[in-house]
Amino acid sequence: SQELEQSPQSLIVQEGKNLTINCTSSKTLYGLYWYKQKYGEGLIFLMMLQKGGEEKSHEKITAKLDEKKQQSSLHITASQPSHAGIYLCGAETPIKTSYDKVIFGPGTSLSVIP
Amino acid sequence: NAGVTQTPKFQVLKTGQSMTLQCAQDMNHNSMYWYRQDPGMGLRLIYYSASEGTTDKGEVPNGYNVSRLNKREFSLRLESAAPSQTSVYFCASSETLRQENTEAFFGQGTRLTVV
Repeated sequence: SQELEQSPQSLIVQEGKNLTINCTSSKTLYGLYWYKQKYGEGLIFLMMLQKGGEEKSHEKITAKLDEKKQQSSLHITASQPSHAGIYLCGAETPIKTSYDKVIFGPGTSLSVIP
Repeated sequence: NAGVTQTPKFQVLKTGQSMTLQCAQDMNHNSMYWYRQDPGMGLRLIYYSASEGTTDKGEVPNGYNVSRLNKREFSLRLESAAPSQTSVYFCASSETLRQENTEAFFGQGTRLTVV
């Protein structure tokens, strides 16, 4: 079965600093999702990557999927306290069924210190 | 715009008790899902419903049952709660599958404690 690993497990950065979160798959990814979760709240969709080498940006957050489609990185530029939360990567399994189930990594907890 | 609504938000059960978690979406989505989230393990899929009238097992279905009551509602039932089912449960929905930027919308979560 496909597994997703995320690193680091937790991150504490000072406001204004850049940071990167990584997501690695044991198998080729079909679709890679990034979500953000604030404590006690639901998940907020950030972006989805499908093609090798694809890169997408939303405000100060940029996500990339490598050419081999087994690793994705999430980069935050000039972090702000509003970026704090748990970042989860999710991936569609490669098996073509009526629904390609999405599995999630363990999450990366981000704290931003003012 | 309510999106995905889960009830209750918090619940404490005694071992052996039963309960149903309710989920409803108002986005006319075809697919709905139930996940559980545990520390260090991320989200794991319990059951999903690709479309109205169909349900399938996910990664961790044991101890749970689901009902896709109609297109809007997808409930998760614990027949005999166990401490191992202490978790945060999330319901999600998505429009269709295999489309670019297919986005799943999540509810706020239900924090369940089984004592």
